[in-house]
Amino acid sequence: EDKVVQSPLSLVVHEGDTVTLNCSYEVTNFRSLLWYKQEKKAPTFLFMLTSSGIEKKSGRLSSILDKKELSSILNITATQTGDSAIYLCAVERDNNDMRFGAGTRLTVKP
Amino acid sequence: GAVVSQHPSWVICKSGTSVKIECRSLDFQATTMFWYRQFPKQSLMLMATSNEGSKATYEQGVEKDKFLINHASLTLSTLTVTSAHPEDSSFYICSAMADGYSPLHFGNGTRLTVT
Repeated sequence: EDKVVQSPLSLVVHEGDTVTLNCSYEVTNFRSLLWYKQEKKAPTFLFMLTSSGIEKKSGRLSSILDKKELSSILNITATQTGDSAIYLCAVERDNNDMRFGAGTRLTVKP
Repeated sequence: GAVVSQHPSWVICKSGTSVKIECRSLDFQATTMFWYRQFPKQSLMLMATSNEGSKATYEQGVEKDKFLINHASLTLSTLTVTSAHPEDSSFYICSAMADGYSPLHFGNGTRLTVT
């Protein structure tokens, strides 16, 4: 059965800390892995990863895919209170459907 | 873990016809369900928020007469695309949560193609 598992489920840190969020998957016909930030109304797209070992960066956020380990990590450095959100990992399959993980709730305290 | 089932996974229909998409929470009661549409570059747009027993709240720019949402029970919400046109072709995703403190659980999405 296809599944996407994120860990940890919840995380509380202080401003300035660095966090690593994990996403592992077992899906057939993998096409890409996506990371979203869920705050209010709709998940905001962060990264799409298709190739193993190539890091993608956007400011303090970075992510990398490991196809051998069937996993991805999302790193956030120098966290700020505005980073508090639920971070979602989703896997797109060749037939165009998606499998979402349950998300990691990140709370950044001042 | 909580499961949200979305049906159908994909549908092809002719222009002018209506299509119904179902979103079910299988092992929890979902007080709130959300409907999204995926746009290019993987962005998700929230279309509407659906609360059981009340009218859906539509986001600005979403035609409520075009996208009919019914949340008839605590485990089922439906999205009906009425008089579908090719520009309605997209990937539609639902999510559900038990209450305001619960995580969101997403369905697997429905790929709609209007010919």
